[in-house]
Amino acid sequence: GQQLNQSPQSMFIQEGEDVSMNCTSSSIFNTWLWYKQDPGEGPVLLIALYKAGELTSNGRLTAQFGITRKDSFLNISASIPSDVGIYFCAGLSDYGGSQGNLIFGKGTKLSVKP
Amino acid sequence: KAGVTQTPRYLIKTRGQQVTLSCSPISGHRSVSWYQQTPGQGLQFLFEYFSETQRNKGNFPGRFSGRQFSNSRSEMNVSTLELGDSALYLCASSRRGGAETQYFGPGTRLLVL
Repeated sequence: GQQLNQSPQSMFIQEGEDVSMNCTSSSIFNTWLWYKQDPGEGPVLLIALYKAGELTSNGRLTAQFGITRKDSFLNISASIPSDVGIYFCAGLSDYGGSQGNLIFGKGTKLSVKP
Repeated sequence: KAGVTQTPRYLIKTRGQQVTLSCSPISGHRSVSWYQQTPGQGLQFLFEYFSETQRNKGNFPGRFSGRQFSNSRSEMNVSTLELGDSALYLCASSRRGGAETQYFGPGTRLLVL
């Protein structure tokens, strides 16, 4: 079935650093979503992308919908301690289809550098 | 506007028991989807309900079932619990499902002993 490869799996950040993560797939998606999940909580929607090539920002977060429709990128600029958590990408392949077509990456865990 | 709410937040059950989880979607949202999240498998889709009808189902055994009421609230039931059913169960709502983005609740943490 469809799969999303999200990388890196984990990373350590120092306050003030920029962070990048991405998701790739062999399948085409029509929507890309980025979520952040804190421990014991549900994922919170950060950015939604609906068009190939689209670049969308939400504060210090910027995400792009890859031109091939097979990938997406999330950048966090000037990271702060509250950015730690797990970031998930999710792709939707079927306009008008059921939510069953929402495929999730395995997540990127962001931790603070010791 | 209130977000998605799930009850209970935490639950401990023993093998063989059954459990019912509840989800109240955002007002005006008619689509509710359920997901199971475990460290090993990540987020896996269970099923989606829209206007009281199951519209899609993931690859889970028949022990997992759900329903949706006329006010769009949804319940999920797991019968004959197994140790492997221990997970965070998340529900998410959207207005019509499909390409619309969905908003997640805080989840119900189920521990099966």
